[in-house]
Amino acid sequence: DSGVTQTPKHLITATGQRVTLRCSPRSGDLSVYWYQQSLDQGLQFLIHYYNGEERAKGNILERFSAQQFPDLHSELNLSSLELGDSALYFCASSVFSGISTDTQYFGPGTRLTVL
Amino acid sequence: GNSVTQMEGPVTLSEEAFLTINCTYTATGYPSLFWYVQYPGEGLQLLLKATKADDKGSNKGFEATYRKETTSFHLEKGSVQVSDSAVYFCALSDYGGSQGNLIFGKGTKLSVKP
Repeated sequence: DSGVTQTPKHLITATGQRVTLRCSPRSGDLSVYWYQQSLDQGLQFLIHYYNGEERAKGNILERFSAQQFPDLHSELNLSSLELGDSALYFCASSVFSGISTDTQYFGPGTRLTVL
Repeated sequence: GNSVTQMEGPVTLSEEAFLTINCTYTATGYPSLFWYVQYPGEGLQLLLKATKADDKGSNKGFEATYRKETTSFHLEKGSVQVSDSAVYFCALSDYGGSQGNLIFGKGTKLSVKP
């Protein structure tokens, strides 16, 4: 158990809908990262927040957004969903930001299926 | 940009066989290197890491050495078990301009037969 929690574990929805994925980082970690894992793209970085502020964006679509709240939990919002958004979405947390030796600890993931 | 290349799978071995999974990287700075493991139906777990050249990371019988001269971080284990069956990901930390995302290889699926 990494200490990172994600809810829900599974999510099934229809095209055009909007969903929210939730992540709670390990106690004491200030950074939250979101990643998407799909068969064709592999593991792709989406976005990084540190202590409530956005720090970096990766291959995140404009239909996707995220935020980190004062209690440090984070939510990833996916809207106007398409079939191709079906994937496993991971959240990871770490203590710092911008330090290469910092280890990211991953949650169990949310499996999103868009029908 | 920075990238990670790891050997294509799947890799099938018999129990107690020697394992090597190759990983090479491209990076402009001095990244840290990681191996993560994903067991079926689970999230990624950190297996080991190395933060500078010639460092050796080790855990649960697995080892990998950060080789700057060959830009490699190959994963090895002397004697694999059935319980090692999983997907293994090599990754580097890209903290240069992007403030900290991991760049992953495509993963190597390992199956160990009794």
